[in-house]
Amino acid sequence: AQSVTQLDSHVSVSEGTPVLLRCNYSSSYSPSLFWYVQHPNKGLQLLLKYTSAATLVKGINGFEAEFKKSETSFHLTKPSAHMSDAAEYFCVVSDPILTGGGNKLTFGTGTQLKVEL
Amino acid sequence: DTAVSQTPKYLVTQMGNDKSIKCEQNLGHDTMYWYKQDSKKFLKIMFSYNNKELIINETVPNRFSPKSPDKAHLNLHINSLELGDSAVYFCASSQGRRLYGYTFGSGTRLTVV
Repeated sequence: AQSVTQLDSHVSVSEGTPVLLRCNYSSSYSPSLFWYVQHPNKGLQLLLKYTSAATLVKGINGFEAEFKKSETSFHLTKPSAHMSDAAEYFCVVSDPILTGGGNKLTFGTGTQLKVEL
Repeated sequence: DTAVSQTPKYLVTQMGNDKSIKCEQNLGHDTMYWYKQDSKKFLKIMFSYNNKELIINETVPNRFSPKSPDKAHLNLHINSLELGDSAVYFCASSQGRRLYGYTFGSGTRLTVV
């Protein structure tokens, strides 16, 4: 089974400074990886996804992530944080369900991003 | 039109009660899922249905019984509710194994008192 590890449970940055949220994955084959964001008391929103195309993936709201096979990493970055970026971020890996259709998403434990003035 | 809709959004109930959460998707997807998010925000898959057939049951207590009357609906019934069942439950859907368009509902916050 595949898994993801989010290395930081909390990250705090100042508004206007870069954001780096770290994620490492474990996989026996080429994985499909995602970042989801969850704002307080809200649902899950897909930020971006990697599915074995370009290794640098651009997402919504200025976020991007780079798939690095040699480092088994898929870190999320943004050049300049905004107050509205404060939320919980989840790194996710997908496994196809072999006994039927669909995919099983395995979530990391989440990183709480705090943005300060 | 909401793509994946869950009702109710909030549910407060007493221990021992039986309750249901409903989920409907209008995306034409053939696979639906239930995920549970605990108090530490950890998300884990509970069930998956493909074309109304159960294909994943992730060691969930048998007090939880999913039902899929058709491809567009996946309901979750919980018997004899316990304090530990308090969580946010998310419904999701996808079209087969396509990773594009895996869509989550907005969640149902269940509080057992």
